[in-house]
Amino acid sequence: GAVVSQHPSRVICKSGTSVKIECRSLDFQATTMFWYRQFPKQSLMLMATSNEGSKATYEQGVEKDKFLINHASLTLSTLTVTSAHPEDSSFYICSARSNYGYTFGSGTRLTVV
Amino acid sequence: DAKTTQPPSMDCAEGRAANLPCNHSTISGNEYVYWYRQIHSQGPQYIIHGLKNNETNEMASLIITEDRKSSTLILPHATLRDTAVYYCIVRSSNYQLIWGAGTKLIIKP
Repeated sequence: GAVVSQHPSRVICKSGTSVKIECRSLDFQATTMFWYRQFPKQSLMLMATSNEGSKATYEQGVEKDKFLINHASLTLSTLTVTSAHPEDSSFYICSARSNYGYTFGSGTRLTVV
Repeated sequence: DAKTTQPPSMDCAEGRAANLPCNHSTISGNEYVYWYRQIHSQGPQYIIHGLKNNETNEMASLIITEDRKSSTLILPHATLRDTAVYYCIVRSSNYQLIWGAGTKLIIKP
């Protein structure tokens, strides 16, 4: 079946630095990629939707200059958390939409210290 | 805003059928119902989805009421590995999945 590879699975970074998270669709093309954030004991919150080759659409309250999304190809999307702060610590998950439906990555646990 | 309502938690005995309810009274005619589950600190796992008709696959069955205002996910023979948070989700017309709070299902030996 369709697989989305998400890396890294865990990252610890210092406050003020930037972190890049990658999601790759293996063996299929993702027409749309969704990025979510999940805080402890809460549900997934949609951050942005990106289509290959076009700018991402961000949900209300999500800063587009802080969470940079690139979807340059049908198999790769990246989320860069710029100038990270402790309140950005969270579980970030990507999801690819294709003819197979919605396939989720395994998530990235970001801790900003 | 979430379009689904689920009980926050449920218990089920191992080997029994687990029936997880979901209300989606404001669902529109062309919006699908999806079910995913999430085991702690992992990505969500697809279970099943449907529009109007009942659906069954190797993991579960999905029963949708005739008025489509509610549905039930059935895990026929629950095992300890089925312990997870189960999300009932409505897919919007722009293909976004609108997540609710989910049900924490605990399977007890």
